[in-house]
Amino acid sequence: DQQVKQNSPSLSVQEGRISILNCDYTNSMFDYFLWYKKYPAEGPTFLISISSIKDKNEDGRFTVFLNKSAKHLSLHIVPSQPGDSAVYFCAASAEKDSNYQLIWGAGTKLIIKP
Amino acid sequence: ETGVTQSPTHLIKTRGQQVTLRCSSQSGHNTVSWYQQALGQGPQFIFQYYREEENGRGNFPPRFSGLQFPNYSSELNVNALELDDSALYLCASSLGLSARSYEQYFGPGTRLTVT
Repeated sequence: DQQVKQNSPSLSVQEGRISILNCDYTNSMFDYFLWYKKYPAEGPTFLISISSIKDKNEDGRFTVFLNKSAKHLSLHIVPSQPGDSAVYFCAASAEKDSNYQLIWGAGTKLIIKP
Repeated sequence: ETGVTQSPTHLIKTRGQQVTLRCSSQSGHNTVSWYQQALGQGPQFIFQYYREEENGRGNFPPRFSGLQFPNYSSELNVNALELDDSALYLCASSLGLSARSYEQYFGPGTRLTVT
C-alpha cells in the first residue's frame, strides 16, 4: 500500500519555464512533507519542506504548495535551469509517529531541455 | 564541515552470507537513519538510531540490525543475505529528534549486489 505516490515517473521541461512536480498521499496523519533532489551516484539532498499548518512555503526558485483536503502537494521550480535535472522525491511523516520515519514516493525524473 | 560518508561504495555478496555497511555522520549530528532503495523506488526506512539507541524501525526482519557508536558513526548488518536484499543502502544523519530531524543529510550510498 503506497502511502506517498508520485504518478509521473518523468517530466521534461524547457529551460526557463516552470517545472511542476506532483505528489499525492493517502495517510491523513501526515503533517510534515519534504522534497529531496537526487543526482546520479549521490545521496538525496534536502530541498524544501512544509508543515501541515501551512499551505505554501517558498525558498528562492522553489515553492511547495500543500492542499490538505485533496491530500496533494506540488513543487514548483521557476525558472527551470539545466542543473535542476535530477530525480525528485516527495517524502512525508507523521509527528505523532514515534519512529520519526519518512515515507517516500518513487520519485520523478525531471529533465530540463536547453 | 564533513559530510556523510559511507563505505564501501559497491559490494558483491553471495546468498546466505553476512554483510556490514558503514556510515560516518555529518559533524555534530547525533541521529542516523538507514534506508534501502530498490531500483526505481523511493528509499524505504530500515531503522533509526539516536545517541546509540534504536529509536524506530521500519518493516524489515530482525536479520537487519544496526549499531551506533559514541562518535555517532554507524553500522548496518544484514545476515543470511537474500537475492531481494540487492539494493542501494543509504545512510542519513540529522540533529536530534525534532521536526528538523526530518531534514536529513544523506551519504552517497552502498550498492549491494547479492548473487
